[in-house]
Amino acid sequence: GAVVSQHPSWVICKSGTSVKIECRSLDFQATTMFWYRQFPKQSLMLMATSNEGSKATYEQGVEKDKFLINHASLTLSTLTVTSAHPEDSSFYICSASGSSGGTYNEQFFGPGTRLTVL
Amino acid sequence: GNSVTQMEGPVTLSEEAFLTINCTYTATGYPSLFWYVQYPGEGLQLLLKATKADDKGSNKGFEATYRKETTSFHLEKGSVQVSDSAVYFCALGETSGSRLTFGEGTQLTVNP
Repeated sequence: GAVVSQHPSWVICKSGTSVKIECRSLDFQATTMFWYRQFPKQSLMLMATSNEGSKATYEQGVEKDKFLINHASLTLSTLTVTSAHPEDSSFYICSASGSSGGTYNEQFFGPGTRLTVL
Repeated sequence: GNSVTQMEGPVTLSEEAFLTINCTYTATGYPSLFWYVQYPGEGLQLLLKATKADDKGSNKGFEATYRKETTSFHLEKGSVQVSDSAVYFCALGETSGSRLTFGEGTQLTVNP
């Protein structure tokens, strides 16, 4: 299947700093990428959907100025957590889908990034 | 809107026991259905999928059948192993596009 990577796999930062997480599709062109957040023992919460070359669509309640998403190419999307605070500590997972021309475009998930804000 | 309801966990079984994790959904159109597995500290891995009614997805001894009449996609395995311990998510894919709706997840622990 298609491979999606994330970098870094874990990061620890001080409160007030910004952190960038990269999501790459390694062997296919991802027209759409998704960013999820997962709290311990909970399901995935969709944060935003981004299409290559256009602005991301954020879910209700997600601060777009705090979670900056860039999808500049068909293989790379980045999530920047600006002015991070301890409550932003979480597991962030990206996924990517291409355009198969079918009725459903399957998502392929990255391995996740563990963010800890001190 | 679309929604997925999963059997509440956690589920604890002994090795070689039979596993069933229930999943029901509500959706418009003809969604695709998925089971994902998440091992501790990792992202999601696709376990199996079914794209139309009466399809059976299967992988690694797990299977699930897309039942339109009961709007269900229950996950089963005849004999679980300790290595199957993980969180299992049922998910629904929209008729068009790629958005997924996830269930709450079910923690499975298999004891030797």
